Parts: sequence; C-alpha cells; structure tokens
Amino acid sequence: AQKITQTQPGMFVQEKEAVTLDCTYDTSDQSYGLFWYKQPSSGEMIFLIYQGSYDEQNATEGRYSLNFQKARKSANLVISASQLGDSAMYFCAMRERLLSQGNLIFGKGTKLSVKP
Amino acid sequence: GAVVSQHPSWVICKSGTSVKIECRSLDFQATTMFWYRQFPKQSLMLMATSNEGSKATYEQGVEKDKFLINHASLTLSTLTVTSAHPEDSSFYICSARDRGTSGGGTDTQYFGPGTRLTVL
Repeated sequence: AQKITQTQPGMFVQEKEAVTLDCTYDTSDQSYGLFWYKQPSSGEMIFLIYQGSYDEQNATEGRYSLNFQKARKSANLVISASQLGDSAMYFCAMRERLLSQGNLIFGKGTKLSVKP
Repeated sequence: GAVVSQHPSWVICKSGTSVKIECRSLDFQATTMFWYRQFPKQSLMLMATSNEGSKATYEQGVEKDKFLINHASLTLSTLTVTSAHPEDSSFYICSARDRGTSGGGTDTQYFGPGTRLTVL
C-alpha cells in the first residue's frame, strides 16, 4: 500500500485564487512528520511547510498552510492568493519516526499550473 | 532556510567512465544525508542513506558497488556513479537532514539543486 497518496496529477488555478492540494498518508506510527516540497522546472526541491503529528495547530508559512486532519490521515496544502510563480510540481512527504534514519517517503506529486 | 549545494549541476560523460557528485550542507552539520534519483515526470526514489563516518545504507535494488557513497565529514557526502551506462542517465538529488538546535528545530530535510547526468 502506498504510504503517501496524492490523487491529483494536475491542478489548474486562476491567479490570485486559493488552491488546495490533497495528500493522504498511511502509517501506524504515533509520531511522524509531514512535509510539503515545491519542485519548479529547474529541479530543485524547495521546502515549504512542516507538520508534526503532535502539533495541535495547523502549520502556516506565509501563503502556505497545512490542513492537518489526523483522524482522516490527511495533510492538504493550501496556497492562498496564487501567483504565476507557484506553477510547479508539489510533493507531499512523510517521515516515520520508527525509521531511525529518518528518510522521507514521497507521494507522486501534483503539477500545479497557475493561469493569468 | 538551510542551504545545501550540489556539484556539478549537470554532467555529460561517456559510457564506462565514473562520475562523482558532491553534496554539501553549507550552514549546518548533517550527520545524515540522502541520495535520491528522479526520472522525468516521476517522484523521487531514495537510493541510499549516508551517515557520517559509517557505511551507507542502500535501498533494495540499488547496487552499492555501482553507486559509491562516502560521507567523509559532517558537511560533505559524495556519490560516485562507477562505469556509467546510458541507463544511469537521470536527475540525482541529495538532501541533508537538519536536526535543528537541541530541544527544538523542525528536523527538516533540505535538498540540493540536483545534478542532471547524461551518459552517452
């Protein structure tokens, strides 16, 4: 079974509107971390936001917020006021704490296109 | 955020030659670094986990004799693709784990800009 599921291969959003990118995860760990990364066409992976499983409040970083619903095992990324520069691939990832090495498990990604 | 550099950013080599890729954490010490491979329009595939001062841990299906990893210091890990073949052509990305300050920190992985390898 997939550990990280991103069901939207591609999404379109109008500039200045908000968009939600879906992510669900599967783990039996009680302690884990959830991450979102942005990968523009240049290839670099840009860290956007982090949510710990014990964090009671949803994480926010500027225009990015993470809608964390623990019972549903979802960690959707919300981008407010989309900009043309937001067009990129977005990857959801998880680190399970039982993995002592702590590597990230990635979803397949969602390609976001922002229309002017 | 923390900065991770990767060198070279792209390389073209002949089949049979070896290529070394460097990954450096510039403003933090990384006891653990990771090497990923990414094919076009696909997600990142973890190849190996590199620990400073010890042998790397390779994922299933990754040939350790072909992809040599050395984590010689807390800020440098290298990946050497030995006897490269055209099927090794790919985008290789490293990341370094920043555990943050003691008692806090996000324990985040920061990625290098990637190296595009083309084997002719």
